[in-house]
Amino acid sequence: AQSVTQPDIHITVSEGASLELRCNYSYGATPYLFWYVQSPGQGLQLLLKYFSGDTLVQGIKGFEAEFKRSQSSFNLRKPSVHWSDAAEYFCAVGAVPTGRRALTFGSGTRLQVQP
Amino acid sequence: NAGVMQNPRHLVRRRGQEARLRCSPMKGHSHVYWYRQLPEEGLKFMVYLQKENIIDESGMPKERFSAEFPKEGPSILRIQQVVRGDSAAYFCASSPLEGQGEGTYEQYFGPGTRLTVT
Repeated sequence: AQSVTQPDIHITVSEGASLELRCNYSYGATPYLFWYVQSPGQGLQLLLKYFSGDTLVQGIKGFEAEFKRSQSSFNLRKPSVHWSDAAEYFCAVGAVPTGRRALTFGSGTRLQVQP
Repeated sequence: NAGVMQNPRHLVRRRGQEARLRCSPMKGHSHVYWYRQLPEEGLKFMVYLQKENIIDESGMPKERFSAEFPKEGPSILRIQQVVRGDSAAYFCASSPLEGQGEGTYEQYFGPGTRLTVT
């Protein structure tokens, strides 16, 4: 069965600083990978996704993520963080080759942005 | 184009009562998924439905929980005889119908229903 690990429960960065949120997955084949963002009391918004092809994917709000098969990672990055980026970020994996559509989520990383 | 709709947004039930959560998928979507988020945790898959069919219920508790997605109307997640441990946020997501293309694996989430059991 697939699993997702987000090693950092809580990260604090200064506004304008760069950001990297880590995500490691466990799955026997190439998975579909997603990053979602959740603001307090809200639902999840899809930031970006990886299905195949170019391993560096661009998303909304200036985010990007890089799929590294050798490291089983799909880390999320942003070059300059804005105060409005403060939220919880979830990495998710879908086990596509099995046809199973359920997503497996990591436990999330809560981002705080200091002025 | 309206997104995924869920209602109610907040629901309070006493122990032993029933909870009914509703989800209307995005227009043009006919796959619906239910996830549960316990406090300070990530989302856990519960069930995946298409119109009139349960496709995958591997994440559903064996007792008290049921889900349906009728031909007409919203998808319903029903929790009978609620207990305090059922307090959580319940999210519905939807994805497009056609084929097996990559786009059909993108899931769009609603705002969630926050269930509190007292």
